[in-house]
Amino acid sequence: DVKVTQSSRYLVKRTGEKVFLECVQDMDHENMFWYRQDPGLGLRLIYFSYDVKMKEKGDIPEGYSVSREKKERFSLILESASTNQTSMYLCASSPGGAGGKTQYFGPGTRLLVL
Amino acid sequence: DQQVKQNSPSLSVQEGRISILNCDYTNSMFDYFLWYKKYPAEGPTFLISISSIKDKNEDGRFTVFLNKSAKHLSLHIVPSQPGDSAVYFCAASARYNQGGKLIFGQGTELSVKP
Repeated sequence: DVKVTQSSRYLVKRTGEKVFLECVQDMDHENMFWYRQDPGLGLRLIYFSYDVKMKEKGDIPEGYSVSREKKERFSLILESASTNQTSMYLCASSPGGAGGKTQYFGPGTRLLVL
Repeated sequence: DQQVKQNSPSLSVQEGRISILNCDYTNSMFDYFLWYKKYPAEGPTFLISISSIKDKNEDGRFTVFLNKSAKHLSLHIVPSQPGDSAVYFCAASARYNQGGKLIFGQGTELSVKP
C-alpha cells in the first residue's frame, strides 16, 4: 500500500509568517506534487518534482516555493503567508516512467492564515 | 483555459439507483483518464482509470466509459450507496506530460439519499 503522509492536518498561521508543509512518501516514487483545493476550483497544481532536486512550476506557483533534497520528501514553503493562501493543501506521489500514472494522495493539510 | 471540465457541481441520487458523473476534455493528446473520490477533510483516493485504447473499464460497482470522438468520459455507480456520497474528480494526462502531471476537473459532489 502506498503511503503518503503530511506533517500536519490543521495549521493556523498569521499573515507574513513563513510556513513549511512537509510530505513524505514510502513507495520510492520519482514524481511528487503539491496541489491546493478550493471550493468550485478543483485541484490546482502548485509545483511538482520528477526527481531529486528537480522542480517544475504548476499552474499557480506564485507565492510558493518547494524543496526536494531527498527522493521521499517534498516540502512546500509559503515565504510570507497571506490570507488568500488559506486553503486545503494536498501532496501526491506517482511512479516515474512513460505513460499515464496514478497519483496517490496524502490526507491533506488545512491551512488557515489570519 | 479549463482542459478538463465537470459541468455539474452537484448530483443527488436515491440509494440503489444509478449515479452517472460526467467529464469533458478538450485536449486530444490526453490518453489516460482517472476518477478520484474525496471525502471532506481527507485526501482524494484513486477509484478507477481507463486508457485511451479502451472504451470501457469496470471494477465492481464502478464503470468508466470513454468516448474519444466526443472527448467525454463518464463514471457509472450501480447501485449507489449512501457511503458513495463524496466529491468525485476526473483527471487526465498525456504521454508527453513530464513527471506524470494530471489535469483535474472542478469536481462533482454526489449525494446518495437513503
